[in-house]
Amino acid sequence: QKEVEQNSGPLSVPEGAIASLNCTYSDRGSQSFFWYRQYSGKSPELIMFIYSNGDKEDGRFTAQLNKASQYVSLLIRDSQPSDSATYLCALRGTGRRALTFGSGTRLQVQP
Amino acid sequence: EPEVTQTPSHQVTQMGQEVILRCVPISNHLYFYWYRQILGQKVEFLVSFYNNEISEKSEIFDDQFSVERPDGSNFTLKIRSTKLEDSAMYFCASSDHGNRDYEQYFGPGTRLTVT
Repeated sequence: QKEVEQNSGPLSVPEGAIASLNCTYSDRGSQSFFWYRQYSGKSPELIMFIYSNGDKEDGRFTAQLNKASQYVSLLIRDSQPSDSATYLCALRGTGRRALTFGSGTRLQVQP
Repeated sequence: EPEVTQTPSHQVTQMGQEVILRCVPISNHLYFYWYRQILGQKVEFLVSFYNNEISEKSEIFDDQFSVERPDGSNFTLKIRSTKLEDSAMYFCASSDHGNRDYEQYFGPGTRLTVT
């Protein structure tokens, strides 16, 4: 089982819609969860982090964490064409500082 | 806004040569990291560095790799004898201390091409 699993996509949504990106993980002891955005040929850019169960909102982004189900998600409201990128789920595993990344979900927002 | 910088942006080297990739972390950050991303693959952790020593490393980070903080601002990754499979984007990251020490901010990367 992969440590961090994401659907590779592409996930295609129309402009203005809500994009829902999902991530599951295998290490039950994982404590910190991150969403990075990566444009083609660029470096990962931190957009959200969540440490506790529940929802965390920041502008158009909402991160959701369910540790019992080992599931993290990212909602992007009012999607814009500029949101088109690969979204990387990452976590800090038990007793570690290193981030473990998923392979990413490619999001396409259609104008 | 402070950011991580990396040089060079692109490095081409021949197999067997040594390369040094350079990074300047965000100035008040205390934790430093190197990651790599082979084209089309996921981002992989190499090493973390704190208080002038390696705090964690992955299986990828073998004896061919070393890291150093030669002065108060630079953080370097050295690959002693490059192989074709070392071709990748190498990202430096840094994080703060205290309550925000798990949020890692990435530099723009160095594309390493080994021929």
